[in-house]
Amino acid sequence: EPEVTQTPSHQVTQMGQEVILRCVPISNHLYFYWYRQILGQKVEFLVSFYNNEISEKSEIFDDQFSVERPDGSNFTLKIRSTKLEDSAMYFCASSRGGHTEAFFGQGTRLTVV
Amino acid sequence: QKEVEQNSGPLSVPEGAIASLNCTYSDRGSQSFFWYRQYSGKSPELIMFIYSNGDKEDGRFTAQLNKASQYVSLLIRDSQPSDSATYLCLIGTSYGKLTFGQGTILTVHP
Repeated sequence: EPEVTQTPSHQVTQMGQEVILRCVPISNHLYFYWYRQILGQKVEFLVSFYNNEISEKSEIFDDQFSVERPDGSNFTLKIRSTKLEDSAMYFCASSRGGHTEAFFGQGTRLTVV
Repeated sequence: QKEVEQNSGPLSVPEGAIASLNCTYSDRGSQSFFWYRQYSGKSPELIMFIYSNGDKEDGRFTAQLNKASQYVSLLIRDSQPSDSATYLCLIGTSYGKLTFGQGTILTVHP
């Protein structure tokens, strides 16, 4: 069964460093998403991506964040100058359409020290 | 008002009972409605989706949608301890944005 895969499963980085979280969405899906879940809190929408551009973003998704689909299969989230409060589980998801169910990867746990 | 709100938990029900989970949303342009289950430390997994007003049944699960009142609910019949998890509603707007509620923790006790 097709699935969304995320790498790495766990990333530890020093405050101020840049990190890139990687995702391979399901191959025939057209919409891609990034979500964040701080430990013990709700799953928060960060950004959606369609047709090679951002279609929606939340107030969390400021200039510190960027997304890219560099090669037609990977979908990346870059976080510049990481802060302690960026520590969270980051989930990638993809869907066939804007109104269809989203399938989630297993997440990348980011720890900023 | 938050975009998507769920009834505050935690919700505790005995095994075999019906668990009722509710979700309200603010955007009248919302077109798709999903229920996900999340076990601790895991990613959300889809339980059901519903697009039209009314009820949709799948095994022990029934989703109910009322667009006029802007709510969607999930009923779990014959609740099992394995149903213990956080339940998340996910609402899709017409702009390709999928927003989660804050989740309701359900505990089914033997």
